[in-house]
Amino acid sequence: DAGVTQSPTHLIKTRGQHVTLRCSPISGHKSVSWYQQVLGQGPQFIFQYYEKEERGRGNFPDRFSARQFPNYSSELNVNALLLGDSALYLCASSSGTGSESPLHFGNGTRLTVT
Amino acid sequence: QKEVEQDPGPLSVPEGAIVSLNCTYSNSAFQYFMWYRQYSRKGPELLMYTYSSGNKEDGRFTAQVDKSSKYISLFIRDSQPSDSATYLCAMSRNQFYFGTGTSLTVIP
Repeated sequence: DAGVTQSPTHLIKTRGQHVTLRCSPISGHKSVSWYQQVLGQGPQFIFQYYEKEERGRGNFPDRFSARQFPNYSSELNVNALLLGDSALYLCASSSGTGSESPLHFGNGTRLTVT
Repeated sequence: QKEVEQDPGPLSVPEGAIVSLNCTYSNSAFQYFMWYRQYSRKGPELLMYTYSSGNKEDGRFTAQVDKSSKYISLFIRDSQPSDSATYLCAMSRNQFYFGTGTSLTVIP
């Protein structure tokens, strides 16, 4: 079975630009979560979506938004990019929304903002 | 105070050694505990997933949870160079909280 797939793998953007990151979950998983991982740190929670509805939001500014599609794939959008947005963006899928469903991660999109 | 504390290392051991990785946490409401392995330029890979206090073994890996001390551990027996990676602990209550990761190098 295919795991979580993310695209693109790498991206270089300029301050002020907008970016869209994409994720396809493991087949059968209806929940998708997005995390930001800065070098040397653990992943930080951004959003969780389940059945196209937002189920949780971390402590990130409104420049960050996301959505989930009927096929359970998801997009993360970041507007007005800042240098501090440079990070590895991870998508994770799980079978449910609760803490009992462990997260399965993709390999991430490495975003560099110059 | 962070929800989850993890020593970032780096930790360097000879091949065949027993490795002990640890995390502490502050919130007694955490119910589920996980260990992830992350190779360079890859996403975290789920290694171990436990619910209750006690030990869980899977091959060379043993996860240990002590809820009374708010302390979790991952033991790696007969460590191999392929175990060289960053190990992240994680725990959950409504959402998932991760440690900063411990960088491990196993020297042949």
